[in-house]
Amino acid sequence: KQEVTQIPAALSVPEGENLVLNCSFTDSAIYNLQWFRQDPGKGLTSLLLIQSSQREQTSGRLNASLDKSSGRSTLYIAASQPGDSATYLCAVGMNRDDKIIFGKGTRLHILP
Amino acid sequence: NAGVTQTPKFRILKIGQSMTLQCTQDMNHNYMYWYRQDPGMGLKLIYYSVGAGITDKGEVPNGYNVSRSTTEDFPLRLELAAPSQTSVYFCASSYSRELREQYFGPGTRLTVT
Repeated sequence: KQEVTQIPAALSVPEGENLVLNCSFTDSAIYNLQWFRQDPGKGLTSLLLIQSSQREQTSGRLNASLDKSSGRSTLYIAASQPGDSATYLCAVGMNRDDKIIFGKGTRLHILP
Repeated sequence: NAGVTQTPKFRILKIGQSMTLQCTQDMNHNYMYWYRQDPGMGLKLIYYSVGAGITDKGEVPNGYNVSRSTTEDFPLRLELAAPSQTSVYFCASSYSRELREQYFGPGTRLTVT
């Protein structure tokens, strides 16, 4: 059974710092991994989607990497801003069926 | 495009009542999903559909039913509501397995008392 773990569960950093959020998964038979952002009381917004054949994706100040063999992904946020404060979730799409399994998320707070 | 829309936004049910959560997407997406999110937790997949007429169970299907008679609509039915079904419910859609970027609705906050 696939398990997706996100560490840390919560993180507070001063504005302007670069930071890394981690996502690990136990079953490497995935076809993609997606990072989402969720603001309080809101739905999810897709940030980056990495196909299993890719190593990384970039969008603006965000960079996501994928190491499928070791079951790890990282989301790198450069020059953090208070507006980046949110919960960040990763989710993996499974090869053997069409299920998508989520981690519990990392709650990020950027201190002005 | 309206994207993924969900109704209602909020609902309070009494134990044993039934209701249907509506989900509609106007992006011609084949794949649709229902998730529930409990406080401090990630999303748990309830049911999903890869096309009209096809549905399958996710991680936590007990107490729920779905149907997919059209590409656009994917309603979630709660029969005999229980307090354990108090949660926020999200519907999502994506175009295909390969182009699997998911688009989410705004959610339905359900309380069962």
